[in-house]
Amino acid sequence: AQKVTQAQTEISVVEKEDVTLDCVYETRDTTYYLFWYKQPPSGELVFLIRRNSFDEQNEISGRYSWNFQKSTSSFNFTITASQVVDSAVYFCALSEVWVGGATNKLIFGTGTLLAVQP
Amino acid sequence: EAGVTQFPSHSVIEKGQTVTLRCDPISGHDNLYWYRRVMGKEIKFLLHFVKESKQDESGMPNNRFLAERTGGTYSTLKVQPAELEDSGVYFCASSQEWGGSYEQYFGPGTRLTVT
Repeated sequence: AQKVTQAQTEISVVEKEDVTLDCVYETRDTTYYLFWYKQPPSGELVFLIRRNSFDEQNEISGRYSWNFQKSTSSFNFTITASQVVDSAVYFCALSEVWVGGATNKLIFGTGTLLAVQP
Repeated sequence: EAGVTQFPSHSVIEKGQTVTLRCDPISGHDNLYWYRRVMGKEIKFLLHFVKESKQDESGMPNNRFLAERTGGTYSTLKVQPAELEDSGVYFCASSQEWGGSYEQYFGPGTRLTVT
């Protein structure tokens, strides 16, 4: 069965600190996608990144970076020099790939609430 | 381009009543998904439409939930009769089926409170 675990329920940091959000997944599929979504206080889920199972290259986008390691089934997310606006709930998600290439349902973790204090 | 919209944003109903949630996907997106987050828990998949057809409804909790997508455009999710455990935030998402766009774009959610 597919499962996503975000062991960190809440994290509190002071502005400008670096913070890493952990994500561990389980799947029997050899082809799958991993995602991170951000849920700010306004409530909507904002897509941050998609990574397929064949691409283990780390990715950096501004202050955000992602570390995908198949050997440990982890897809961790690091925010460098955190800002108050980064305060949100962050969800990691996993998806199988069905015929046609488009992803099917997302399996979410329970989310990590990040509070960045000024 | 307009994003995924959901209506209403909040709904408070009494146990036993009926509620209908609506989702308007991004124009041109054939895939439409419903998810639910119960307080403090993970966001759970409910069902997936491809155009007007139900591709996967394995996450629907019971027969009190009925989803429709007539004409392959907007979708409704009806809960009848509502129970206390149905309270939560209901999210809708859409994605393109073809063309390499795999991201699911989420709406702001409908917060349902059953009292």
